Amino acid sequence: GQNIDQPTEMTATEGAIVQINCTYQTSGFNGLFWYQQHAGEAPTFLSYNVLDGLEEKGRFSSFLSRSKGYSYLLLKELQMKDSASYLCAVRDSGGNNRKLIWGLGTSLAVNP
Amino acid sequence: SQTIHQWPATLVQPVGSPLSLECTVEGTSNPNLYWYRQAAGRGLQLLFYSVGIGQISSEVPQNLSASRPQDRQFILSSKKLLLSDSGFYLCAWSDTSGSFGTQYFGPGTRLLVL
Repeated sequence: GQNIDQPTEMTATEGAIVQINCTYQTSGFNGLFWYQQHAGEAPTFLSYNVLDGLEEKGRFSSFLSRSKGYSYLLLKELQMKDSASYLCAVRDSGGNNRKLIWGLGTSLAVNP
Repeated sequence: SQTIHQWPATLVQPVGSPLSLECTVEGTSNPNLYWYRQAAGRGLQLLFYSVGIGQISSEVPQNLSASRPQDRQFILSSKKLLLSDSGFYLCAWSDTSGSFGTQYFGPGTRLLVL
């Protein structure tokens, strides 16, 4: 089956660092995406990993371990505007490589 | 640069009424197009995707249908809405070459069926 697991909710303090984990069990793998979704808005693309290791993009970094079926999104120097839901998605492979398999998202609350 | 439009932004419809949501993409050719629904507090559910004009793949059997009459136009329809059709409808596009299949979303349509 296809399954992506993320924590439902997380809380962190402004200025701190938070790590949001994502584990996946999918029949195929052709990349992992992280999206940010503010309440009432559409998801926006944050990062993409297809090879093992860390991808850094400003305050946000994303890590992938394909052998462990595991990824995390690291947010540094948290700001109030980072309060949002963070969605993990895996790109399927082969004939289904146009589709993404989505997690339910992690709702992050950043407190002052 | 590419932009994606959806309208209307919000819609309140009675049960049993028809539905037509439109999505258009600018600045790219032959994109893959997607319709998603996100119910309150739930994840993204893929409803339909299209790899070209007139080519529609349905992911979930339901009373909704999709059409792609032009390369950059994607329409979601229903003949008779159900209460369970309420939700946040999102259109997305992805490039068919490069970009690793990254999907970019439109602003969404919030539908309330009463």
